[in-house]
Amino acid sequence: NAGVTQTPKFQVLKTGQSMTLQCAQDMNHEYMSWYRQDPGMGLRLIHYSVGAGITDQGEVPNGYNVSRSTTEDFPLRLLSAAPSQTSVYFCASRGSGNTQYFGPGTRLTVL
Amino acid sequence: AQSVSQHNHHVILSEAASLELGCNYSYGGTVNLFWYVQYPGQHLQLLLKYFSGDPLVKGIKGFEAEFIKSKFSFNLRKPSVQWSDTAEYFCAVPLGRSGNTPLVFGKGTRLSVIA
Repeated sequence: NAGVTQTPKFQVLKTGQSMTLQCAQDMNHEYMSWYRQDPGMGLRLIHYSVGAGITDQGEVPNGYNVSRSTTEDFPLRLLSAAPSQTSVYFCASRGSGNTQYFGPGTRLTVL
Repeated sequence: AQSVSQHNHHVILSEAASLELGCNYSYGGTVNLFWYVQYPGQHLQLLLKYFSGDPLVKGIKGFEAEFIKSKFSFNLRKPSVQWSDTAEYFCAVPLGRSGNTPLVFGKGTRLSVIA
């Protein structure tokens, strides 16, 4: 099993550009989440999904969209990138008992 | 919604020293508790977890944590740290009381172990 995979690993955007961060898991987990990690802030929840077709907002959803058309995939869209969205983004999926498994992360820089 | 606080931002220890990192969560009831570790340049990995039963849980690499319900705490301990334990440590709980919620994390504690 590959677990949780994320692409790309690194990305540089200009302010105002849009892009999609990809996340996929092959563990048939129902629950998937997106976090951003910033120094001194820990991990903050952006959006999450409890199953295909169901998404909800986390702590810091503004500027981000998600969709969950399949169990495996949970892409995160930045609609109009801003320097404040410079961060490391982690996707996670959860199996039984709330244990979450994390992807390797995407390091995004917005100029 | 649940929240988590970690008391120490940065801890510096010498090798073989004992470690205790504090973690408190905001409300009681049935609660699942987690500690994750992030080694430099890597993603988060599960260190240990508590669901029920014995409040002293043992994880990987000699780590353990004790759930104290009366104190809303889940502190992480290790009797003797090694240089390879240098990492950032995060405490986490489910966002809500329902099982259908993701984890929320504390701000993390950076541990530096020096020779």
